[in-house]
Amino acid sequence: NAGVTQTPKFQVLKTGQSMTLQCAQDMNHEYMSWYRQDPGMGLRLIHYSVGAGITDQGEVPNGYNVSRSTTEDFPLRLLSAAPSQTSVYFCASSYGRSNSPLHFGNGTRLTVT
Amino acid sequence: KNEVEQSPQNLTAQEGEFITINCSYSVGISALHWLQQHPGGGIVSLFMLSSGKKKHGRLIATINIQEKHSSLHITASHPRDSAVYICAAPLYGGSQGNLIFGKGTKLSVKP
Repeated sequence: NAGVTQTPKFQVLKTGQSMTLQCAQDMNHEYMSWYRQDPGMGLRLIHYSVGAGITDQGEVPNGYNVSRSTTEDFPLRLLSAAPSQTSVYFCASSYGRSNSPLHFGNGTRLTVT
Repeated sequence: KNEVEQSPQNLTAQEGEFITINCSYSVGISALHWLQQHPGGGIVSLFMLSSGKKKHGRLIATINIQEKHSSLHITASHPRDSAVYICAAPLYGGSQGNLIFGKGTKLSVKP
C-alpha cells in the first residue's frame, strides 16, 4: 500500500498564481484533512472531509478551496496565492473513529514570492 | 476552543536518559494523539489514547482525562529518538476529526 501520497514535494509560486496540491490515499479512509505548518505555530487545520461529497472548514480556511469527489482524493486549491500562504502543507487521513490513528503524507513545501 | 500546551519546547538529553514530555489541554476530550516528526519532515502517529497507558517498545504514553494531562515517556533514549514530538486533541472535544496541535517538543539525544 502507498498510504497517503502527496504531490508536489516542493513548489514556488508568484503572488496571484493558482495551483492545486494533490492528496490521495489507498486505505479507504473516510476522513481526510489538510494542515499547514508554520514555524512557532504548530499544525493548523485548513479543511477536512468526513466522506465523499462532504467537506468543511477548519481553523484557517481563507484562501483555500477543497472538494472530495471520491473517497481516495482530496485536493487543496490555492485560488490566488499570497506570501502569507508560504508554509509546509500536510494531508492526513484516517477511518475517523476515536481509535483510528492519523496517516500523514510527506508534505509539500510551498513558497509564494 | 481547546488549547493544547506542550512542555518543554526544547529538550536535550544524553543517550540512555529517561525522557518525559508533557501535554495539557483545556476542554474535555475523548482521545489524544501523540505524533513524531522526523528531521526530514515526515509525521508518524505514535499513540492514540483515551485512558490509562499505552506502550510501544521504549515509548510509553499516559493520559489523565480528569486532569486534562498526558505524558510521553521515552526509556533508554537513543540518538535516533531525536525528533519533534507533537500532541493533538480534538478541536471541539469528542470527535477525533478536527484536531488542534501543540507546538511540539524538539528532542535532541546526544550520544
